[in-house]
Amino acid sequence: AQSVTQLGSHVSVSEGALVLLRCNYSSSVPPYLFWYVQYPNQGLQLLLKYTSAATLVKGINGFEAEFKKSETSFHLTKPSAHMSDAAEYFCAVSDDGNNRLAFGKGNQVVVIP
Amino acid sequence: GAGVSQSPRYKVAKRGQDVALRCDPISGHVSLFWYQQALGQGPEFLTYFQNEAQLDKSGLPSDRFFAERPEGSVSTLKIQRTQQEDSAVYLCASSLAAEAFFGQGTRLTVV
Repeated sequence: AQSVTQLGSHVSVSEGALVLLRCNYSSSVPPYLFWYVQYPNQGLQLLLKYTSAATLVKGINGFEAEFKKSETSFHLTKPSAHMSDAAEYFCAVSDDGNNRLAFGKGNQVVVIP
Repeated sequence: GAGVSQSPRYKVAKRGQDVALRCDPISGHVSLFWYQQALGQGPEFLTYFQNEAQLDKSGLPSDRFFAERPEGSVSTLKIQRTQQEDSAVYLCASSLAAEAFFGQGTRLTVV
């Protein structure tokens, strides 16, 4: 069964600083990996996805993530945090793009002015 | 429609009451998923439909939970005899290819 681990439920970052959210996965087959963002009282919005093409994936709002098979990781980064990036971020894994997602516990990102 | 629509947005139920949560997926999306998100947690898979067929219901926590999608479009998640531990946000998602689109969810509070 697939699973993901996200450590550190709350992440504080200064405006303009690097955003780094860590995700490690466990999967018995080549995984599909996703990052979702959830703003208050809204549904999950896809930031980016890895589906076995390029290992560096660029998403919306300036976010990107790199798939590293040797480290079983799919960390999310953004070079410069904006106030609008304050939200909850979830990493998820699937054994194919159209099946059930297994989510991590999420990271609540707080941006400090 | 433009996106996945869920209703009601908020539901307060007395313990023991039955509830029904509705999901209108994006038109033409074959796959439909239900997830349960407890406070401070990530979404947990409940069940999955492909058209009207329920292909996976392994995540339903008890036989009080029942989901259907009779015509392969709208889906209903029913919870019988609600209990306090059922309080959560219930998310519906639909997909056509390798991307799931989520609704805003229904926040269920059992008192």
